[in-house]
Amino acid sequence: AQKVTQAQTEISVVEKEDVTLDCVYETRDTTYYLFWYKQPPSGELVFLIRRNSFDEQNEISGRYSWNFQKSTSSFNFTITASQVVDSAVYFCALSESPSYNQGGKLIFGQGTELSVKP
Amino acid sequence: NAGVTQTPKFQVLKTGQSMTLQCAQDMNHNSMYWYRQDPGMGLRLIYYSASEGTTDKGEVPNGYNVSRLNKREFSLRLESAAPSQTSVYFCASKKLQGNTEAFFGQGTRLTVV
Repeated sequence: AQKVTQAQTEISVVEKEDVTLDCVYETRDTTYYLFWYKQPPSGELVFLIRRNSFDEQNEISGRYSWNFQKSTSSFNFTITASQVVDSAVYFCALSESPSYNQGGKLIFGQGTELSVKP
Repeated sequence: NAGVTQTPKFQVLKTGQSMTLQCAQDMNHNSMYWYRQDPGMGLRLIYYSASEGTTDKGEVPNGYNVSRLNKREFSLRLESAAPSQTSVYFCASKKLQGNTEAFFGQGTRLTVV
């Protein structure tokens, strides 16, 4: 069955610290897709990044970077030099291929609440 | 460019009342989803519709029904609201292809008293 686990419920850091948010997933599909979303205090869900299961390249976008490792079923998210504006809840999500099992299902983890203090 | 529109934004119901949450998207997406968000529980999938004409249960379907009215619209109905259904509800849509992101509505804050 599909499952996404974000074991860190809350993380608190001081501005300019680096922080890594963990995401571990389970799936029996060989083709799947992983996502990260941000939910700031205003409540909307903002898409950050997607990754296909056959693309294990890490990605960097400004202060954000993502480390995808199929061997450990993990898709971790690192914020470098954190800022107060990074304070939000971050969600990891998994979607299996449309032709697999209950194709099209999109499952989220429990979320990690990041608090960046000045 | 409206994206995903949910109505209403806020609602207070009495236990036992019924209501329908409406969701519409204008991006020609095949798949639509209903989630509920509770503190510490993340986003839990209630029902989804992978494509027009199909609906499937998610993780927490009990107490809810859905209707995929057409490609644009996907409604969520509470037949007899319970306090345990107090939550923030999000509707989302995406293309059926797996490697595309979902777009979310602004959410509906529902309180059942």
